[in-house]
Amino acid sequence: DSGVTQTPKHLITATGQRVTLRCSPRSGDLSVYWYQQSLDQGLQFLIHYYNGEERAKGNILERFSAQQFPDLHSELNLSSLELGDSALYFCASSTADSSNQPQHFGDGTRLSIL
Amino acid sequence: GDSVTQMEGPVTLSEEAFLTINCTYTATGYPSLFWYVQYPGEGLQLLLKATKADDKGSNKGFEATYRKETTSFHLEKGSVQVSDSAVYFCALTYNQGGKLIFGQGTELSVKP
Repeated sequence: DSGVTQTPKHLITATGQRVTLRCSPRSGDLSVYWYQQSLDQGLQFLIHYYNGEERAKGNILERFSAQQFPDLHSELNLSSLELGDSALYFCASSTADSSNQPQHFGDGTRLSIL
Repeated sequence: GDSVTQMEGPVTLSEEAFLTINCTYTATGYPSLFWYVQYPGEGLQLLLKATKADDKGSNKGFEATYRKETTSFHLEKGSVQVSDSAVYFCALTYNQGGKLIFGQGTELSVKP
């Protein structure tokens, strides 16, 4: 158990819809990272928050947005969903935003678009 | 840009065989290097890490040495078990922010 909690585990929805994925980091961790894992793109970094502030953006579509709340949990919002958004979405947390700190991953949310 | 390349899988071995999974990287700076493992239906677990050249990371019988001269971080284990069957990811990170850049993953299957 990594201590990172992601909900829901599975999500099935239709094209054009909007969903929210939730992540609770390990106790004491200030950094939250979001990654997308798909068969064709592999594991791709989406976005990083540190103590409520956005730190870095990766290959995140404009239809996607995220935020980190004062209690440090984070949400990833995906809107106008397309078939290609079907993937595993992982959240990871670490103590700081240093490259030396390992990231601890949740079990992911599997999003299926029908 | 920065990237990580892993040997293609799947790799199939018999129990107690020696394992090597090759990983090379391209980076403009001096990254930290990681191996993560993903068991079926689970998230990624940190297996080992190395933060500077010539460092050796080790955990659960797995080892990898950070080789700056060959830009490599190959994963090795002397005697694999069926329970080691999983997908292994090599990754790098550096600079403020620490986003991970992953290789494509190598699936390992160990037969009894």
